[in-house]
Amino acid sequence: KNEVEQSPQNLTAQEGEFITINCSYSVGISALHWLQQHPGGGIVSLFMLSSGKKKHGRLIATINIQEKHSSLHITASHPRDSAVYICAVRMGGGSQGNLIFGKGTKLSVKP
Amino acid sequence: GAGVSQSPSNKVTEKGKDVELRCDPISGHTALYWYRQSLGQGLEFLIYFQGNSAPDKSGLPSDRFSAERTGGSVSTLTIQRTQQEDSAVYLCASSLKGLAGGSTYEQYFGPGTRLTVT
Repeated sequence: KNEVEQSPQNLTAQEGEFITINCSYSVGISALHWLQQHPGGGIVSLFMLSSGKKKHGRLIATINIQEKHSSLHITASHPRDSAVYICAVRMGGGSQGNLIFGKGTKLSVKP
Repeated sequence: GAGVSQSPSNKVTEKGKDVELRCDPISGHTALYWYRQSLGQGLEFLIYFQGNSAPDKSGLPSDRFSAERTGGSVSTLTIQRTQQEDSAVYLCASSLKGLAGGSTYEQYFGPGTRLTVT
């Protein structure tokens, strides 16, 4: 049983489209991360949030703690947004150091 | 400023040999994490260091895996008697602090070391 589920697994969009990637989790968490992994393998942290909403440029991340759900939105998508987007959660309580990762959503934006 | 660096970037080794992977975290970051990503698989936590505290080793897959962090900075991940299933990209990340009173800090990832065991 995966504690972090992402949907969709794969997503193809046309340039300019509004994109939503979803993440659901089954454990209590202290924080949720959205990561971006480019085809070359490099990983960049996009957001870390524990409540509400964060925005950075064309990216918006929201989290609903009660529903154990987070979404990553990309407005006015561009081919350079093509990457794997990974949701990861840090469990609440204790001193666990580990992140639990979703399997990622592979996004391809066509020009 | 410099980000997290890892070396080597690629390592090919024969089954049964030992390997050492190195991570240089961002200066001043007290927390350091090791993860791995096997081909076609998601990321998997291995080990976490926070300051002088005992490391969280809960993610290490077997006793062939060990890691140390000297002087609170550079970390080395050692895999003894490598097996083909150890082939993966090993990623290191650091953050300003780790978990403190429930807080958490953003992690910065290194470029990874691609390990291939033949």
